[in-house]
Amino acid sequence: KAGVTQTPRYLIKTRGQQVTLSCSPISGHRSVSWYQQTPGQGLQFLFEYFSETQRNKGNFPGRFSGRQFSNSRSEMNVSTLELGDSALYLCASSLGGTIYNEQFFGPGTRLTVL
Amino acid sequence: SQQGEEDPQALSIQEGENATMNCSYKTSINNLQWYRQNSGRGLVHLILIRSNEREKHSGRLRVTLDTSKKSSSLLITASRAADTASYFCATDAEDTGRRALTFGSGTRLQVQP
Repeated sequence: KAGVTQTPRYLIKTRGQQVTLSCSPISGHRSVSWYQQTPGQGLQFLFEYFSETQRNKGNFPGRFSGRQFSNSRSEMNVSTLELGDSALYLCASSLGGTIYNEQFFGPGTRLTVL
Repeated sequence: SQQGEEDPQALSIQEGENATMNCSYKTSINNLQWYRQNSGRGLVHLILIRSNEREKHSGRLRVTLDTSKKSSSLLITASRAADTASYFCATDAEDTGRRALTFGSGTRLQVQP
């Protein structure tokens, strides 16, 4: 089985712009979660989607949003980028939900905001 | 401090030695997971231990869970240079009425060849 893929792998944006990141889960996995990783805050949960519905959301401002398609692929969008949004964004998929199952992570998208 | 705090923050050992990392958490949990991350890459799941389990093994890995102390430990035996990575514990912590996977700050393990 192919692993979790994320595109793009690297991205450079400027403040005020918006960005869309994409994640393709492992075939058959219906749950997709997103995380932000920074040196200062560590790994923080953004949101989880299951069967096209947002099941859970972390403590991030409304500028961070996401969606999941019928084929379980997911996108996350960050609008009005700020310098502090520079981070490694990780996507993970699992068969069931994030808290009860092993998660399979993608390689991440490294976003740099200038 | 965060749910799931690892201790120590950094650990340097020689190949062949054992490495022990600890994780403490605050709220009740249903399970606890350990993940490994190689420098700036995605995480790899190592082991999941449920709240009614006390110990679990997987190859050279041994995880213990003490729910009365709200702590877990990860032991890597006979370490190898390839074990050099950051290790994170993650719990299904309850936050504002919902449970979400919450990661600790991690332990950076360096195994010297």
